[in-house]
Amino acid sequence: NAGVTQTPKFQVLKTGQSMTLQCAQDMNHNSMYWYRQDPGMGLRLIYYSASEGTTDKGEVPNGYNVSRLNKREFSLRLESAAPSQTSVYFCAGERYGGNNEQFFGPGTRLTVL
Amino acid sequence: GDSVTQMEGPVTLSEEAFLTINCTYTATGYPSLFWYVQYPGEGLQLLLKATKADDKGSNKGFEATYRKETTSFHLEKGSVQVSDSAVYFCALTNDYKLSFGAGTTVTVRA
Repeated sequence: NAGVTQTPKFQVLKTGQSMTLQCAQDMNHNSMYWYRQDPGMGLRLIYYSASEGTTDKGEVPNGYNVSRLNKREFSLRLESAAPSQTSVYFCAGERYGGNNEQFFGPGTRLTVL
Repeated sequence: GDSVTQMEGPVTLSEEAFLTINCTYTATGYPSLFWYVQYPGEGLQLLLKATKADDKGSNKGFEATYRKETTSFHLEKGSVQVSDSAVYFCALTNDYKLSFGAGTTVTVRA
């Protein structure tokens, strides 16, 4: 089992460019999440998908869109990147949803110039 | 809304020292509480968890007890090793949403 995988690992964008961060899991997770990690702020929830076919906003959704393509895949899209979106992005999965352990991917380090 | 407050770092210790990282929370209902650890260059991984009041989570020599009366979940380890150097995050989940503390960087020196 690969667990939770993310691509790419690193990315540099110019302001205004778009890109999609990919996340896939082979752990049969029902729920999936996208977080951003910034120094001194812990992780903040961007969007989540409680189950296949549903998505909901988290704490910091502005400037992002998501797609739960199927049970395994949950992508995060930046339509017009801004320097404020420079961060490390983590995808996570949770098998039963709600109040259980989340399993994290290795992260994508994004720099927007 | 829900929130987690944890001790600010960085914390620097010598090997075999006692480690405590304080964590308090604010939440409605009955959240589950977690400690996650992030080693350099890696994602987060679960260290331990507790799902109800008075539960004690433990793993790799670390312990934390869910104290509802003081809304706390302090992390402790009796004798740290260099390999425990990492960033530690206290977190809670409540209705699909995981709320994190800011993280505490711990460095253990040989």
